[in-house]
Amino acid sequence: AQKITQTQPGMFVQEKEAVTLDCTYDTSDQSYGLFWYKQPSSGEMIFLIYQGSYDEQNATEGRYSLNFQKARKSANLVISASQLGDSAMYFCAMREGLNQGGKLIFGQGTELSVKP
Amino acid sequence: AAGVIQSPRHLIKEKRETATLKCYPIPRHDTVYWYQQGPGQDPQFLISFYEKMQSDKGSIPDRFSAQQFSDYHSELNMSSLELGDSALYFCASRRTLMAYNEQFFGPGTRLTVL
Repeated sequence: AQKITQTQPGMFVQEKEAVTLDCTYDTSDQSYGLFWYKQPSSGEMIFLIYQGSYDEQNATEGRYSLNFQKARKSANLVISASQLGDSAMYFCAMREGLNQGGKLIFGQGTELSVKP
Repeated sequence: AAGVIQSPRHLIKEKRETATLKCYPIPRHDTVYWYQQGPGQDPQFLISFYEKMQSDKGSIPDRFSAQQFSDYHSELNMSSLELGDSALYFCASRRTLMAYNEQFFGPGTRLTVL
């Protein structure tokens, strides 16, 4: 069963507007971590933001914020004031458990295109 | 700040050949992960090492093997290469006892099998 689901294969946003990328997850663990990575066309995986399952506040990092709704098992990424350089593939990922190896399970990704 | 180093960055091989990918983790990081990302796919976990011991294993073919050395660098050995092995291979490292458990990814090795 898919553990991380990103239902938006592609998204378009106008420059300077905000955009929300959806991510839902499935786990029976009480302790887990949720990550968002950006992958531009050059291929590297760039860490954006992290949310721990016990964190009560939504994580924020500059223009990135994570809308964490634990009961709904969703961890949507919000990018404010989109820039042309935000055009890339975005992956949501989960790490189950606190110290169970720590491997990441990725969603299918969402390709974001920012229009001028 | 030092990042994860992977070499080579690009590799072209023929079918049935072998390939060795190298990963140098961030200093003082004790865990290394290998991921495979096929064209248009999400990264898939292959294998991980903690303190030079294999800690977890994912969908890694039997033709592949990996190890972590005393200096913590890791190598992924791939034999009898197939066309389907063409992918971007990432190494990531992590310092397990850090409260913030981010995995830092290397730039990847793009393997093309002809």
